[in-house]
Amino acid sequence: GAVVSQHPSWVICKSGTSVKIECRSLDFQATTMFWYRQFPKQSLMLMATSNEGSKATYEQGVEKDKFLINHASLTLSTLTVTSAHPEDSSFYICSADTQARNTIYFGEGSWLTVV
Amino acid sequence: AQTVTQSQPEMSVQEAETVTLSCTYDTSESDYYLFWYKQPPSRQMILVIRQEAYKQQNATENRFSVNFQKAAKSFSLKISDSQLGDAAMYFCAYLINGQNFVFGPGTRLSVLP
Repeated sequence: GAVVSQHPSWVICKSGTSVKIECRSLDFQATTMFWYRQFPKQSLMLMATSNEGSKATYEQGVEKDKFLINHASLTLSTLTVTSAHPEDSSFYICSADTQARNTIYFGEGSWLTVV
Repeated sequence: AQTVTQSQPEMSVQEAETVTLSCTYDTSESDYYLFWYKQPPSRQMILVIRQEAYKQQNATENRFSVNFQKAAKSFSLKISDSQLGDAAMYFCAYLINGQNFVFGPGTRLSVLP
């Protein structure tokens, strides 16, 4: 299957700082990428849908200014958590759509801890 | 509303036995794709099996097969000859127009030795 790489896998940051998570499609072009947040023992919560070259579409209740999503190329989307707070600590995971096959592949996920 | 329902929060199966995980969904679209993903403790989401809604034939991948009933909007996953490594959370999902990707709440599968 197609490969989606997410980096970093683990990150710890101080409260008030910003942290960037990258999502790369390694062997295909991803016109659409999805960003999720997953709380313990729960399903994935869609945060936003990111289309290359255009603004991301955020789900209701997700703060656009806090969770900045950029999809500048067909192989890279980034999620920046701005002015992070401890309640932002979570598991974040991205996925990308291989439109040629209409299949979604996921990155490995990123654990964010805000202290 | 577009939703995916997995009515079994938890399931267990004896090693080497067969288990079926249920999934129903609701969409007014006629063309879509259905998926089962496995999430082990590592949290990596692994694609288990995929089904095109326009195909009547049920998809199979080795020990994994689905029972796709389009009229009933049902998409169950059957795991044959269950192995300890099959223990994980299983999510049912569908994709419409490459933009709308909806997940179910998941079923936690335990495999008993």
